[in-house]
Amino acid sequence: DGGITQSPKYLFRKEGQNVTLSCEQNLNHDAMYWYRQDPGQGLRLIYYSQIVNDFQKGDIAEGYSVSREKKESFPLTVTSAQKNPTAFYLCASSIQSGRIADTQYFGPGTRLTVL
Amino acid sequence: AQSVSQHNHHVILSEAASLELGCNYSYGGTVNLFWYVQYPGQHLQLLLKYFSGDPLVKGIKGFEAEFIKSKFSFNLRKPSVQWSDTAEYFCAVNARTGGFKTIFGAGTRLFVKA
Repeated sequence: DGGITQSPKYLFRKEGQNVTLSCEQNLNHDAMYWYRQDPGQGLRLIYYSQIVNDFQKGDIAEGYSVSREKKESFPLTVTSAQKNPTAFYLCASSIQSGRIADTQYFGPGTRLTVL
Repeated sequence: AQSVSQHNHHVILSEAASLELGCNYSYGGTVNLFWYVQYPGQHLQLLLKYFSGDPLVKGIKGFEAEFIKSKFSFNLRKPSVQWSDTAEYFCAVNARTGGFKTIFGAGTRLFVKA
């Protein structure tokens, strides 16, 4: 059953702690993305990766870090430097169509709450 | 900077009413355009997309969208909505020179009354 999995579904953390959100895909897609979804603001791009061992900052990368050591995996770390981390986080992947973005396939999301 | 505007944040319709959701973007070059939908409790998924060719594109579940280059618009339409169309709809734009970066609008929440 192909798709994108994100874990955990709900995550709670205390202020000052780093936390890592998992994202795995078995669609054999080259590109992967992390978005943050806040009410009334749509999806905002945090980081994206076009190939293994390469990634670029999106519009709101401050306080976040990523790695892309395997094609299937693109974990996101929310660091203590992120001032407002409570949000819904979505991971996505897409086929590489030359140099443009094609359809993105999304995971179920992780809701992070900072206590 | 590129941006995507969705004019209506909340829309309430009765079943069988016609739907049009507005989407405008700010980028002068060639773009790829998408509408995504998020049904309650489900993953965000593609509704339809436009890359080139006929500016009127058809998607799943009877939805269509028209690309009007001169107006920088990509409005979503459906002639007759159903209760099952209740969802949040996102317009998204990828500038061909921007690589893999796609900008999403703020979303429109549609509620269809049975």
